[in-house]
Amino acid sequence: EAGVAQSPRYKIIEKRQSVAFWCNPISGHATLYWYQQILGQGPKLLIQFQNNGVVDDSQLPKDRFSAERLKGVDSTLKIQPAKLEDSAVYLCASSAAGTNTEAFFGQGTRLTVV
Amino acid sequence: GESVGLHLPTLSVQEGDNSIINCAYSNSASDYFIWYKQESGKGPQFIIDIRSNMDKRQGQRVTVLLNKTVKHLSLQIAATQPGDSAVYFCAETPYGQNFVFGPGTRLSVLP
Repeated sequence: EAGVAQSPRYKIIEKRQSVAFWCNPISGHATLYWYQQILGQGPKLLIQFQNNGVVDDSQLPKDRFSAERLKGVDSTLKIQPAKLEDSAVYLCASSAAGTNTEAFFGQGTRLTVV
Repeated sequence: GESVGLHLPTLSVQEGDNSIINCAYSNSASDYFIWYKQESGKGPQFIIDIRSNMDKRQGQRVTVLLNKTVKHLSLQIAATQPGDSAVYFCAETPYGQNFVFGPGTRLSVLP
């Protein structure tokens, strides 16, 4: 079974630029998550999708972050404009049955904002 | 690959010894818990889970213990191997809500 795919693996941008990350979840998984992991900390949820609808985006900084999952499969996370404090690993995860079930993580995208 | 958790609490154990990693969780309403392992440059990997109606669950070389009275979770790894070196996170969730991850513990296995 293929795992969660993310791209790119690494990205370096200057502050105030924009960036986008892509995620392809495990086939058949209805729930998709984006997490932000700052170095030295545990992952923090940014947004959760159930199919193509947003279930929880309470911790997403909506003034600069946006995410979509238009066809209920792939998802993109965008930051515009980026700030220095956005430097982190952005992890995508998917699960078959939503909260209270195991989530499978991708390798993440390491973003460095300079 | 890049490092995960440069300033995390670290547990160092000798290869072959047993490891115990502890986690204090915050929400008394949490009823599902997962331990994840994260190697450098990789995403978190599921190890074992436990629901609040249990106080112990065993997997292959791993055991999770749950003490709801003091809101404490532990992960025991038997016969620790070099491949067990990683950062370990506990995650908790109240039913219907999303996971909250703990700060993590780095396990270092000494030869």
